[in-house]
Order: sequence, then C-alpha cells, then structure tokens
Amino acid sequence: SYELTQPPSVSVSPGQTARITCSGDALRRRYVYWYQQKSGQAPVLVIYEDNKRPSGIPERFSGSSSGTMATLTINGARVEDESDYYCLSTDTSGNQRRVFGGGTKLTVL
Amino acid sequence: QVQLVESGGGLVNPGGSLRLSCAASGFTFRDYDMTWIRQAPGKGLEWISDIRSSVGDTDYADSVKGRFTISRDNAENSLYLQMTSLRVDDTAVYYCAREISSPLYTSGGTLAEYYFDYWGQGTLVTVSS
Repeated sequence: SYELTQPPSVSVSPGQTARITCSGDALRRRYVYWYQQKSGQAPVLVIYEDNKRPSGIPERFSGSSSGTMATLTINGARVEDESDYYCLSTDTSGNQRRVFGGGTKLTVL
Repeated sequence: QVQLVESGGGLVNPGGSLRLSCAASGFTFRDYDMTWIRQAPGKGLEWISDIRSSVGDTDYADSVKGRFTISRDNAENSLYLQMTSLRVDDTAVYYCAREISSPLYTSGGTLAEYYFDYWGQGTLVTVSS
C-alpha cells in the first residue's frame, strides 16, 4: 500500500522556524494537504493544494512541494502551534484513495 | 457555519455491530461528498470510506471493506456508517468530514483531487469483551 513518510517529531523554540516534511512518490503528481490536530481535538486544515492557506489560518503557516517531498513551514512558531501535524495525499497506484502520513508531533518550548 | 456532529459510538463486543451517524448543518449537504476517517488511540489518521454527493458511489479502505457500509440521507442531512463484524483493532475515534473535490490538470489529463475541509468532533468506538 502507498505510504507518506513524516518525521515522528520536530522541536523548536518559540519564534524559530519549524519545518515538517512529508515524502512520497505520488507527491510528484498530486497535491499535498496539511492538518493540525491539537490534543483531544479534531484535525483542522491548515494548507491545501500544496501551498494555499484556508481563511482564518495565520500567515505564519506556509506550504511547499517539490519532487517527492512536501514541507509545512511555520515561521515564528508559537507555543500554541504545538500539535500533531498530518499530511494527506492521494494514492496513485490505481485506487486513488486518500492516504495520511504517520503524523509529526511538533513541540514548541 | 458548517457543523458536523457524530453520534452512535460506544462499547461493543468483538463480532458485534454498531451504526454511526453524522448530522450536518450550515451547508447544502446534498452538494458535497462525505467521508469517514478514524484514529485509533495514540495513533494517526486513517481514511476509511467516502460517498459521492449525488449518485452515491462509495469507496472503502481495504481494512474495512466488506464489513462497513457508508450511506447518506440527503433529505435528513445525515451520513451513516454501519459497522459489522467489529474487531478489537477497529477501536478508534470516528470522524465524519466534508470532502472537497477539485480538478488537477496534468499533461496526461484531468485528475480528481480530494481533501477534507470540515471535521466533526468524533465519536469513540471501543471494541472489547
């Protein structure tokens, strides 16, 4: 089955830039989407179609994608950004099913 | 505003059945594809099923195919997930989400992109004896 690979954890100090990666072969051809999930809450879409930000998402969140790797960047990370982050894309093997990455725990302290 | 409220979770024995519901409001339900996603305790997100807006075409992850059935009632603005032959590893929080489809234009033709823009708060299903 198709997989998207994320680092289990990323740690930064407040005010620093946090970068969370997501890798997978299908990212060459398909968009990536990013979700933020705070403890005990439902996921929230923070980036769609590689680099677009939904209304209400702070400008410090940005996305990029090149080749088989996508990156979620949080400029000037805040303590409240501490969350799990998941990437989402589409399996291009034939079934076109949606696939999540394993998730990255971002620690800001 | 868009609201999705799941219900129907609970404790069930292995081999048992359960029906989840998702009540939608704040948007024209019949115009949107809908999906179920689950998250086992301490684990990541897993897409499990979706259903198209109008014709009702459905798709399932291999992990639930043949055991779970997704359905919708556009008149009632509701989404359902009938779960049968439940296993211990089906224990999870089950989320319903609104699915957005958009075209992706490539040199090889137009593909359909799907993602989830609004999620409910989830309902916990525990499969245990």
